[in-house]
Amino acid sequence: KAGVTQTPRYLIKTRGQQVTLSCSPISGHRSVSWYQQTPGQGLQFLFEYFSETQRNKGNFPGRFSGRQFSNSRSEMNVSTLELGDSALYLCASSPRGRGAEAFFGQGTRLTVV
Amino acid sequence: DQQVKQNSPSLSVQEGRISILNCDYTNSMFDYFLWYKKYPAEGPTFLISISSIKDKNEDGRFTVFLNKSAKHLSLHIVPSQPGDSAVYFCAASESGTASKLTFGTGTRLQVTL
Repeated sequence: KAGVTQTPRYLIKTRGQQVTLSCSPISGHRSVSWYQQTPGQGLQFLFEYFSETQRNKGNFPGRFSGRQFSNSRSEMNVSTLELGDSALYLCASSPRGRGAEAFFGQGTRLTVV
Repeated sequence: DQQVKQNSPSLSVQEGRISILNCDYTNSMFDYFLWYKKYPAEGPTFLISISSIKDKNEDGRFTVFLNKSAKHLSLHIVPSQPGDSAVYFCAASESGTASKLTFGTGTRLQVTL
């Protein structure tokens, strides 16, 4: 069974630009969550999508958004990039959205210059 | 406001001895706790969890203890093996938002020969 796939693995963007990250969950998993990992803050929850609907949201500004498609694949978008958005963005999928069942992808390393 | 804290950034233990990783939380609404392990360049991997109705959960070499009155949990690894060397994250969730995990900042465990 294929794991959670995130693309791209690495990305360099300039301040002010926008970026879209992609996540393909494990087949059959309907929940996709996104996390931001930074050295100072650790892993912070961004949002969760379940059956194409945002079910939970963390404390991030509106520049961070996401969506989920009918095949459960998910994208997250960050607009007007800031230097502080440089981080590892991790996607996790699970059948029902419970943390104990969550499988994480390898992440996308975003660097904003 | 760090609701889940891992106050030890690193821990070094000899092979065969016990590793004890600690975690404190402040949000009394948390009722489900998890430990994840993370190797470099990989996403976190679920290790073990415990519900607030229990005070102990075992899975092979791994045992998690929960002290609700102290808002403290710990992960014991016995015996420690070199392959256990990784960063360990404590996480917590509220029952109503089971998919939204609040993570600690992690403890880097190094198991030496």
